[in-house]
Amino acid sequence: GDSVTQMEGPVTLSEEAFLTINCTYTATGYPSLFWYVQYPGEGLQLLLKATKADDKGSNKGFEATYRKETTSFHLEKGSVQVSDSAVYFCALRDNYGQNFVFGPGTRLSVLP
Amino acid sequence: DAMVIQNPRYQVTQFGKPVTLSCSQTLNHNVMYWYQQKSSQAPKLLFHYYDKDFNNEADTPDNFQSRRPNTSFCFLDIRSPGLGDAAMYLCATSRSTGASQGKLFFGSGTQLSVL
Repeated sequence: GDSVTQMEGPVTLSEEAFLTINCTYTATGYPSLFWYVQYPGEGLQLLLKATKADDKGSNKGFEATYRKETTSFHLEKGSVQVSDSAVYFCALRDNYGQNFVFGPGTRLSVLP
Repeated sequence: DAMVIQNPRYQVTQFGKPVTLSCSQTLNHNVMYWYQQKSSQAPKLLFHYYDKDFNNEADTPDNFQSRRPNTSFCFLDIRSPGLGDAAMYLCATSRSTGASQGKLFFGSGTQLSVL
């Protein structure tokens, strides 16, 4: 079945550091790809998405590019802030259905 | 202006005592989901409703049931909670058509403890 793999955390960075969180997927067909963020005590929120190969999703300084050849959707941000501390989930949605598959999440801590 | 609302935020129940978690939405989305999230793990889909059609995941235990009396409300019933059912339960909605298609909107979750 479909699956999503993410780099293990936790990831600890200093403020203004560069962030990369790796995500790779296995799926049949052509899934849509997502990054969701979960702040402490809250539900998940959509951060960005891409629906086809070579699409770049971006939001709040975060970016991720849908790479079909490497089945990857790595999340990047050039300069992280303390307020970016959260758990980040990579996810896919099979275009044949309504089901979403989530990766295990990567906890990010940004220190001032 | 919360859009997906889950009540209660924290729920404590006893081993074997039935419990119901509720979810309501103001988005008029036709798809509603229940996920189980254990500490430091990915949310795991239990089931979802596509309009009135119920879709159960193959590995969801029979102990978990759901009801959707109308578009706005969806309930998760755990008939006989075990210690292993302690988790965060997340409700989410999506729209199968239109500009919001494919996006999941989550509630804040209900943290269930089983004593």
